[in-house]
Amino acid sequence: DGGITQSPKYLFRKEGQNVTLSCEQNLNHDAMYWYRQDPGQGLRLIYYSQIVNDFQKGDIAEGYSVSREKKESFPLTVTSAQKNPTAFYLCASTDGGKNTGELFFGEGSRLTVL
Amino acid sequence: DQQVKQNSPSLSVQEGRISILNCDYTNSMFDYFLWYKKYPAEGPTFLISISSIKDKNEDGRFTVFLNKSAKHLSLHIVPSQPGDSAVYFCAANLYNFNKFYFGSGTKLNVKP
Repeated sequence: DGGITQSPKYLFRKEGQNVTLSCEQNLNHDAMYWYRQDPGQGLRLIYYSQIVNDFQKGDIAEGYSVSREKKESFPLTVTSAQKNPTAFYLCASTDGGKNTGELFFGEGSRLTVL
Repeated sequence: DQQVKQNSPSLSVQEGRISILNCDYTNSMFDYFLWYKKYPAEGPTFLISISSIKDKNEDGRFTVFLNKSAKHLSLHIVPSQPGDSAVYFCAANLYNFNKFYFGSGTKLNVKP
């Protein structure tokens, strides 16, 4: 079945460590996104990529980095520079508006900093 | 600056009644609007959408209304069911930029 797979589902990190969240899609979508959700808040855009080898900062990119070496993959690294990394992270993709323009989401990854 | 706003953080309705969730936006260039439903610890799932050239779109129990002059959209759920209890996000899209903006969500509780 086509979809978006995020891993790991739960991740614990010590302060000062970098961690990488995986996002893989087999929907053949061009555009991929990373969002962060905090309690009582909406989804805030971290980074997005419209095409392979290209990506743009979203509204809260500080302390995060991404790469887009393959169409299927858009990993997010949470660096030690991110001051408040504990959150629920969501990866999404879209076909770029060729059909409905709908965003498809993964199941999310919950990162907790100890 | 939040371009999509959901001013009601929560809503409680009785089973069988209508649920109305509201959303306001500030950017008149948005041309596509979507509603998502989200359960705790899961990714949001697409519910219904509407293009800016329309003012209404219906899918079963779900209807989305768009008032462009007021920059307002609403989601109507009729009749509401306990399984509809979730957080609902509205989102707006700038087609040419393929960038989605989300509201802060409204938590709907449908009481049996």
